[in-house]
Amino acid sequence: TQLLEQSPQFLSIQEGENLTVYCNSSSVFSSLQWYRQEPGEGPVLLVTVVTGGEVKKLKRLTFQFGDARKDSSLHITAAQPGDTGLYLCAGRLGWGTSYGKLTFGQGTILTVHP
Amino acid sequence: DVKVTQSSRYLVKRTGEKVFLECVQDMDHENMFWYRQDPGLGLRLIYFSYDVKMKEKGDIPEGYSVSREKKERFSLILESASTNQTSMYLCATKPWTDTQYFGPGTRLTVL
Repeated sequence: TQLLEQSPQFLSIQEGENLTVYCNSSSVFSSLQWYRQEPGEGPVLLVTVVTGGEVKKLKRLTFQFGDARKDSSLHITAAQPGDTGLYLCAGRLGWGTSYGKLTFGQGTILTVHP
Repeated sequence: DVKVTQSSRYLVKRTGEKVFLECVQDMDHENMFWYRQDPGLGLRLIYFSYDVKMKEKGDIPEGYSVSREKKERFSLILESASTNQTSMYLCATKPWTDTQYFGPGTRLTVL
């Protein structure tokens, strides 16, 4: 059983459409991160959210952390082919010394067609 | 810029071979991690290290060991490779913030 359930696993859309990726858990996270990974590369951090209810925007990407700190969403407005990639959510359990261990969701493969 | 390098991008080994995957970082980060990435499963933590010669098991340590003799280098060892260890292996480092910096990955195939 995955601690962080990410959905959908695959998303294929046309350029200009909007989309939302969800990341859900029954556990409470001290922080949650979103990473993007392109083929042949390692994941790269997009954003970290730390406060329940927090909303962060990165150009056309909007990230939200749930009030209860158990879920998060990534919304992309007017998707472009350059958004194509694997999106991963990752949560940090606990507030103490955990050496920054992260628990990752399964990932969402996004394909944006021109 | 943080640079994390992994010794090989692609590796093909035979069942039973001993396999070494190396990761080197140039940013003096204390924490280093080894993950494997499989379709539909995301990244799963194998081992991590929070200091030289210190290591802790992650979620799936069976069949793996690690070595950290120097701060900048973290090695993953497959004592006797098996076909179910065919996967993408990712190394990451972490400074005092929560951000993890990943290497490009090693795609290992065990025949």
